Amino acid sequence: EPEVTQTPSHQVTQMGQEVILRCVPISNHLYFYWYRQILGQKVEFLVSFYNNEISEKSEIFDDQFSVERPDGSNFTLKIRSTKLEDSAMYFCASRVDRLGNQPQHFGDGTRLSIL
Amino acid sequence: DAKTTQPPSMDCAEGRAANLPCNHSTISGNEYVYWYRQIHSQGPQYIIHGLKNNETNEMASLIITEDRKSSTLILPHATLRDTAVYYCIVRVDLGLGHSTLTFGKGTMLLVSP
Repeated sequence: EPEVTQTPSHQVTQMGQEVILRCVPISNHLYFYWYRQILGQKVEFLVSFYNNEISEKSEIFDDQFSVERPDGSNFTLKIRSTKLEDSAMYFCASRVDRLGNQPQHFGDGTRLSIL
Repeated sequence: DAKTTQPPSMDCAEGRAANLPCNHSTISGNEYVYWYRQIHSQGPQYIIHGLKNNETNEMASLIITEDRKSSTLILPHATLRDTAVYYCIVRVDLGLGHSTLTFGKGTMLLVSP
């Protein structure tokens, strides 16, 4: 069964450094998402992406964050200057199309630890 | 999206059916009910979804009341591997790509031997 894959599984970064989290969505999916989950808290929506542009973003997704689909297969989340509070699990998800009610499918996440 | 209410935790004996309830009394006519689960340290896993008819797949069954104000996820023969947090999410599909999911705290299901 096709699945969303994320790399790396664990990323350790010094505060203030840039970090890029990578995701390979399911191949025929058109909508892409990033969510995060701080330890012990709820899963929170960050951003959705369709047709090479952001379609929706939350208040969390400020100017320090950016997303890109550089090559038609990868979907990346960049944090420009990481803060301690960016430490969390980051989940990528994809969805097959914009119409109907098809579900989002999630990867197993990247654990980001900011030192 | 409509708000959902779930019990914080439930227990189930291995091999028995697990029935997880969800209240969504403010659901509107075009909102779907989705169920996901999250096993420790893993990403949310899609289980099943429905609008108003009962649904069944290889993982579970979803029973939606006639007034659509509540639903029940049924795992027919729970195993230890079904121990997870289960999320009931109500979402409207506007057909505009605004299909984000709002996760609550869910129900922690503990399946015991």
